[in-house]
Amino acid sequence: EPEVTQTPSHQVTQMGQEVILRCVPISNHLYFYWYRQILGQKVEFLVSFYNNEISEKSEIFDDQFSVERPDGSNFTLKIRSTKLEDSAMYFCASSVAGGFNEQFFGPGTRLTVL
Amino acid sequence: GQSLEQPSEVTAVEGAIVQINCTYQTSGFYGLSWYQQHDGGAPTFLSYNALDGLEETGRFSSFLSRSDSYGYLLLQELQMKDSASYFCAFYAGNNRKLIWGLGTSLAVNP
Repeated sequence: EPEVTQTPSHQVTQMGQEVILRCVPISNHLYFYWYRQILGQKVEFLVSFYNNEISEKSEIFDDQFSVERPDGSNFTLKIRSTKLEDSAMYFCASSVAGGFNEQFFGPGTRLTVL
Repeated sequence: GQSLEQPSEVTAVEGAIVQINCTYQTSGFYGLSWYQQHDGGAPTFLSYNALDGLEETGRFSSFLSRSDSYGYLLLQELQMKDSASYFCAFYAGNNRKLIWGLGTSLAVNP
């Protein structure tokens, strides 16, 4: 069964460093999302991406964040200068269409900023 | 604003039935979804209700009342493996981002 994959599973970084979180969405999916979940809290929307551009972003997704689809399979989230409060689980999700379709989630990357 | 409320914790025993309620507030509503998340794992889709009524999928059912801004997830014949967090979420905006509740932690005891 096709699935969304994410690497790395755990990333530890120093405050102020850049990190890139990688995702491989399901191959025939067209809509891609990043969400984050701070430990013990709810899942929060960060950004949606369609047709090689951002279609919507939340207030969390400030200038320190960027997303890219560098090739036909990868979808990346970059945080330019990490802060302590960026420590969270980051989930990538994809859906076949942008309607009310099931979003398939990857296993997440746990980001720890020291 | 946009928000969802659900109980923080529910405890039940194996074989029992449990209902997890969710109330929501939003200006534009397209439907309510339920996701399951085991500790440290990815959220897994359980159900989606766009219209009022009950949707049944095996041991799990989900209900929606748009007029009451209310829905619930019903889990029957509970098994130990059902111990997890359950999130209600609704689609919002043109690009169908999911807005999530805080989640309900379900503990199933023998």
